[in-house]
Amino acid sequence: GENVEQHPSTLSVQEGDSAVIKCTYSDSASNYFPWYKQELGKGPQLIIDIRSNVGEKKDQRIAVTLNKTAKHFSLHITETQPEDSAVYFCAARRYSSASKIIFGSGTRLSIRP
Amino acid sequence: DTGVSQNPRHKITKRGQNVTFRCDPISEHNRLYWYRQTLGQGPEFLTYFQNEAQLEKSRLLSDRFSAERPKGSFSTLEIQRTEQGDSAMYLCASSLVPSGGETQYFGPGTRLLVL
Repeated sequence: GENVEQHPSTLSVQEGDSAVIKCTYSDSASNYFPWYKQELGKGPQLIIDIRSNVGEKKDQRIAVTLNKTAKHFSLHITETQPEDSAVYFCAARRYSSASKIIFGSGTRLSIRP
Repeated sequence: DTGVSQNPRHKITKRGQNVTFRCDPISEHNRLYWYRQTLGQGPEFLTYFQNEAQLEKSRLLSDRFSAERPKGSFSTLEIQRTEQGDSAMYLCASSLVPSGGETQYFGPGTRLLVL
């Protein structure tokens, strides 16, 4: 069945350093990959997404890379700041499904001052 | 605020009771989704609506669960005869297709605790 695996489950980095979160997906028909940030007591918020016809996308300090052959995708956060502390979820979806998003299990990112 | 809103934000109930949650999507969004999130896990898809039509239901949605979107705007999720295993965060999301693309915008969730 469809599955998204995410690691690490927890990540602690020094403020100013980079953080990398990695995910793999099982459904080769997946072609849309959003990343969500969830702060305590709030719903997930989309921070960046990538489609399968693109290998990399960047938005200020955040970048995502996608390797369709290996079915891997990653989130890179550079120059981390205290407000980056949150739980991050990767996800995958089939365009043809146009409905459900399959989420990873989340990475709790802590930024050390 | 024009985001997705959910009410109530918290609900404590006793096992066997019925509960109902409401979701108000972003105005004009034609798709509305329900997800469930348990502690330490990512959200799991339950069901979604295109306007007022319920188009897909997950096998997670047992017979005790029912969702409606009668006028294609707000939606309700009812759980009958609640069980302790129903304790979770229930998230609603909405999107606009096709012009809005795939982006699903989530509400703050309703946290349910079944005693």
